[in-house]
Amino acid sequence: DGGITQSPKYLFRKEGQNVTLSCEQNLNHDAMYWYRQDPGQGLRLIYYSQIVNDFQKGDIAEGYSVSREKKESFPLTVTSAQKNPTAFYLCASSNAGNDETQYFGPGTRLLVL
Amino acid sequence: QKEVEQDPGPLSVPEGAIVSLNCTYSNSAFQYFMWYRQYSRKGPELLMYTYSSGNKEDGRFTAQVDKSSKYISLFIRDSQPSDSATYLCAMSFGNEKLTFGTGTRLTIIP
Repeated sequence: DGGITQSPKYLFRKEGQNVTLSCEQNLNHDAMYWYRQDPGQGLRLIYYSQIVNDFQKGDIAEGYSVSREKKESFPLTVTSAQKNPTAFYLCASSNAGNDETQYFGPGTRLLVL
Repeated sequence: QKEVEQDPGPLSVPEGAIVSLNCTYSNSAFQYFMWYRQYSRKGPELLMYTYSSGNKEDGRFTAQVDKSSKYISLFIRDSQPSDSATYLCAMSFGNEKLTFGTGTRLTIIP
């Protein structure tokens, strides 16, 4: 089965804690993306990566970090510097250079204890 | 002013009706247009992808792009309760980054 997997489905964060959200794809896509979704605000881009070992900040990168050591994996760390982390986090991938369509994973809901 | 405007709804229509969902945008440099459907607590799934002005049909769904008016639409014919979801428009300059509307929540009433 080809697709994008995200884990965990739900994640709880304590004050001052860093947490890491996993995103894996087996679509052989070059580009991967992380979005944050809040009610009434649509999807906002956190970070994206168009190639292994390279990534760029999106519109709301503060308080987040990423790595892209493998083509199929793009983990997102929500650091303690992100003061309002409660949101639905979505990972996506696309076949860079082919068309502009992005395919999404099932999402991770992050809640603060 | 947001780059992409989309009425958040909620929109409720009876089963079998034709649904019209719309987005307007301010930047004429957008070239690629997409519609995604998102069920509650799930990731968005791609419904339609268009590049040029005009209509594109896929089953009960028709995507329409009017670049001169900076306006895109999604029509759903013979709407079904399973169409109840949030519909997101998205568009791109061709730089592999998407700009999304806020989404319209649609409910089809049996």
